[in-house]
Amino acid sequence: SQTIHQWPATLVQPVGSPLSLECTVEGTSNPNLYWYRQAAGRGLQLLFYSVGIGQISSEVPQNLSASRPQDRQFILSSKKLLLSDSGFYLCAWSVGRGRGTEAFFGQGTRLTVV
Amino acid sequence: DAKTTQPTSMDCAEGRAANLPCNHSTISGNEYVYWYRQIHSQGPQYIIHGLKNNETNEMASLIITEDRKSSTLILPHATLRDTAVYYCIVRVRWRDDKIIFGKGTRLHILP
Repeated sequence: SQTIHQWPATLVQPVGSPLSLECTVEGTSNPNLYWYRQAAGRGLQLLFYSVGIGQISSEVPQNLSASRPQDRQFILSSKKLLLSDSGFYLCAWSVGRGRGTEAFFGQGTRLTVV
Repeated sequence: DAKTTQPTSMDCAEGRAANLPCNHSTISGNEYVYWYRQIHSQGPQYIIHGLKNNETNEMASLIITEDRKSSTLILPHATLRDTAVYYCIVRVRWRDDKIIFGKGTRLHILP
């Protein structure tokens, strides 16, 4: 069966520090991968999605970037965190290669920028 | 993808059926209706999807109107653990593309 791993679960970082969140999927190949952010009390905002290695689509211009160095690995990064980067970050995957279906989410990382 | 409209919040008594509506009047012929829910502090969970026929699984039932302009997610015997935000999404299946979530319906199950 397929599983998605996302870490860390919680993170407290000072303003101006770098960020790296990692997400990996097991049990499937060529998945579509997604990063979402949910600010406190707000909805899910799609940040990035990827249909293959090195293929990243950015939905919202901001202080973040994403990379997909391997088929089942998706990384969210920032060079310098802002207070507004605080939120609940969620990674998700769906079946790829033109068979895109429902998405399956990780447990999320709660980031607090102080 | 077609836009959806859902009530902001709903209440339902524990043990009763929870009926969550969703309007998608601009849905196109190849778009499916998907439902997810997000329990507090967790990632969203896929519930069910359908094209035009009613669907049922171990979690819920999905009723889609004949003109496909609206649908209802039914939780047959709601429990306190069903308290969550429920999202209705309309999108083309079998396509590699972004998945956009709206604001959803906050369902409160009352003891």
